[in-house]
Amino acid sequence: QTVVTQEPSLTVSPGGTVTLTCASSAGAVTSGHYPNWFQQKPGQPPRSLIFGTTNKYSWTPARFSASLLGGKAALTLSRVQPEDEADYYCLIYYGGAGIFGTGTKVTVL
Amino acid sequence: QVQLVQSGAEVKKPGASVKVSCKASGYTFSHYGITWVRQAPGQGLEWMGWISANNGNTNYGQKVQDRVTMTTDTSTSTAYMELRSLRSDDTAVYYCARGGVTTSLDSWGQGTLVTVSS
Repeated sequence: QTVVTQEPSLTVSPGGTVTLTCASSAGAVTSGHYPNWFQQKPGQPPRSLIFGTTNKYSWTPARFSASLLGGKAALTLSRVQPEDEADYYCLIYYGGAGIFGTGTKVTVL
Repeated sequence: QVQLVQSGAEVKKPGASVKVSCKASGYTFSHYGITWVRQAPGQGLEWMGWISANNGNTNYGQKVQDRVTMTTDTSTSTAYMELRSLRSDDTAVYYCARGGVTTSLDSWGQGTLVTVSS
């Protein structure tokens, strides 16, 4: 069974930059896996940030960007603000079924 | 605006079934799929499956595929997720989201807490 792994936790200073990654036990993540990224704050539903590897929604902060990096999907948060503190999840697809990553807790300190 | 409104919290006994609804508004229901996701207390997100509101095609996640049925009612723009043979580890918040496999998941329901307890 494929496992999708993210960093359990990352800490970033306000105004700093942090990159979250999303790796698959099945091999390199590619655009064909249609990576998505979500942000979730306590007690709230997930909020979609990125779809199809790099595409942003109208509400996605411009300082958030996504890419493929070294066989992984990546989400970079730039000029980090206190409100960016949250859990972040990636989602990739294999054969028509989705698998969420294990999630990354981003702390802004 | 697009809105997904889910049914209320449920408490079920082990072995029972639960059916969660997700009523859509603000768009043409049959033009998008509905994805179901759950989250156990303090845990991460789990992709449960997807249904096309156009033709009813489904794709279920491995962990629940033997116990879950997803359906839609286009006359009421409502999607349903039924989970059978409930176990304590099915205790979770269940979310619906607009979209499906390799499309964006751009709108989410508020979540439905299902508690399985004897």
